[in-house]
Amino acid sequence: GENVEQHPSTLSVQEGDSAVIKCTYSDSASNYFPWYKQELGKRPQLIIDIRSNVGEKKDQRIAVTLNKTAKHFSLHITETQPEDSAVYFCAASGRNRDDKIIFGKGTRLHILP
Amino acid sequence: DGGITQSPKYLFRKEGQNVTLSCEQNLNHDAMYWYRQDPGQGLRLIYYSQIVNDFQKGDIAEGYSVSREKKESFPLTVTSAQKNPTAFYLCASSMVWGSPGELFFGEGSRLTVL
Repeated sequence: GENVEQHPSTLSVQEGDSAVIKCTYSDSASNYFPWYKQELGKRPQLIIDIRSNVGEKKDQRIAVTLNKTAKHFSLHITETQPEDSAVYFCAASGRNRDDKIIFGKGTRLHILP
Repeated sequence: DGGITQSPKYLFRKEGQNVTLSCEQNLNHDAMYWYRQDPGQGLRLIYYSQIVNDFQKGDIAEGYSVSREKKESFPLTVTSAQKNPTAFYLCASSMVWGSPGELFFGEGSRLTVL
């Protein structure tokens, strides 16, 4: 089955700098890669996703890149702000009806003042 | 207001007792899921259901049971067979299983076994 590895587990960046979180997946059939953000004490929420027919997707300060050959994808946050402090989860899923969405273990991002 | 509601938010249980966590959604979503969240472990899938009266085991189903008698409801029972039940439990739903899309999560239920 699918396995998703996420790094780093903790990341601290100065406010205004960029943050990058990386994930690798094992199943080459996976074709959907969402990213969820979970603020302290709140529910996870989808912030961006990418499908295998594109290599990059941007939404304001966040972007996701996908390298299908290497089976890795990354989340990029530019001009970080205090409200970016949260736990971020990457995930991967296949196209088949029985495919599950498998999550990475999460990255706790701290934005330093 | 459309959404997914979990109850209770906090629950304490004595060892050996079963406990049921409620999950209700009014989003008209077909698929529903239960995840367990432990520090540093991410979100691990317990059970999922694609349609009413059908459900499948996830990666860590042992010691848990579910039912899906109504489209809106997907309760999770944590049985006494679950060796380490203290955790944060998240319910989620999505529109259609076969086409991967956004998961909508509830606010979670924190279970503590005393």
